[in-house]
Amino acid sequence: DTAVSQTPKYLVTQMGNDKSIKCEQNLGHDTMYWYKQDSKKFLKIMFSYNNKELIINETVPNRFSPKSPDKAHLNLHINSLELGDSAVYFCASSQTDRGLENEQFFGPGTRLTVL
Amino acid sequence: AQKITQTQPGMFVQEKEAVTLDCTYDTSDQSYGLFWYKQPSSGEMIFLIYQGSYDEQNATEGRYSLNFQKARKSANLVISASQLGDSAMYFCAMRESQGAQKLVFGQGTRLTINP
Repeated sequence: DTAVSQTPKYLVTQMGNDKSIKCEQNLGHDTMYWYKQDSKKFLKIMFSYNNKELIINETVPNRFSPKSPDKAHLNLHINSLELGDSAVYFCASSQTDRGLENEQFFGPGTRLTVL
Repeated sequence: AQKITQTQPGMFVQEKEAVTLDCTYDTSDQSYGLFWYKQPSSGEMIFLIYQGSYDEQNATEGRYSLNFQKARKSANLVISASQLGDSAMYFCAMRESQGAQKLVFGQGTRLTINP
């Protein structure tokens, strides 16, 4: 039983293309996140949705657009892909009413390579 | 603004020895949570341990313990009796009570356990 799943696991594409990464969680959590891990392994928050409402939108190019059709899903669409978008993208989820200690559960990651 | 610093890019330890991974943080919030995650070479993010800013005792989870020194703003991870399977990247992260409860990560420490 996968708690947080992402598809695809690997994505190789050409510069300028548009691509999407899908995320689903079956934990019943109310908040979902997208993180980007760069080639130096640094992890940084990109977006967060709480009950389908966007609550975090860090300094991310507007080529990146998250969409949350329901509480269990958070997709990431990227337009006009650039070489610098190559990274591992992690989806995560948590339940916010459990206080600070509620851990975030991470998906397996999607390795995006832009050629 | 929150900041997490991990000053050890890499650590090499003999199997069965204890190891301490350093983490210092900076925040103006009085209430916050500190987390450690493990990322093995397979890439997934695994939650290890949590410490709340108001917790009086250091957190422990099996072979993992957190050496929390609030006045020094440090939250070091201690792994006792290290095993070969402990070889991985380790990330310290913080969540503040204010705002949207995003996780802010340190740069990570790559731990290698030698047989």
